[in-house]
Amino acid sequence: DTGVSQDPRHKITKRGQNVTFRCDPISEHNRLYWYRQTLGQGPEFLTYFQNEAQLEKSRLLSDRFSAERPKGSFSTLEIQRTEQGDSAMYLCASSLGQISYEQYFGPGTRLTVT
Amino acid sequence: AQSVSQHNHHVILSEAASLELGCNYSYGGTVNLFWYVQYPGQHLQLLLKYFSGDPLVKGIKGFEAEFIKSKFSFNLRKPSVQWSDTAEYFCAVNAPNTGNQFYFGTGTSLTVIP
Repeated sequence: DTGVSQDPRHKITKRGQNVTFRCDPISEHNRLYWYRQTLGQGPEFLTYFQNEAQLEKSRLLSDRFSAERPKGSFSTLEIQRTEQGDSAMYLCASSLGQISYEQYFGPGTRLTVT
Repeated sequence: AQSVSQHNHHVILSEAASLELGCNYSYGGTVNLFWYVQYPGQHLQLLLKYFSGDPLVKGIKGFEAEFIKSKFSFNLRKPSVQWSDTAEYFCAVNAPNTGNQFYFGTGTSLTVIP
């Protein structure tokens, strides 16, 4: 089953360091989403790509966050100068876009900032 | 921005009891509605979805949900729960005419006692 995969699954970093996460969507899916989820909350939208174009970005997303999807396949999410408040689960999801809005989620990357 | 409210944060039921989880959203225009489930140790997966047509939609594992436009609600139901239904349930809304963001509720933790 070639579902959505994310790497790494866990990341512990010190405050002030930069971290980068990778998401590999289902191969034929043209839409890719990043979410952040903290304990007791639902996923919070961060950004969305259609193919390689980043079409939407949450207003809540700090300038320290950047995402890319260079060839319309895998995507990376980078957090610069991490803060303790960045500790969360970062989820990636992909979908076929207008054919189906159903999003398939990956297992997530759990970030702990110490 | 849209918001999604799930008023039941924790629900505990005995097997064979009936289930209804509430979901209300704030947007008045066209919406796509979803229920996702997260079983312990697994990632989010789609339970059911509503785009248009019959407001009563059926999903996997005997779940169903009813879209009531006048009440801005999309409640999830199951007539007889099983121990294996123990999971976190998330309601989500997408307003396709305003963008591609998906808004999730805070989730309801369901525990089914054998």
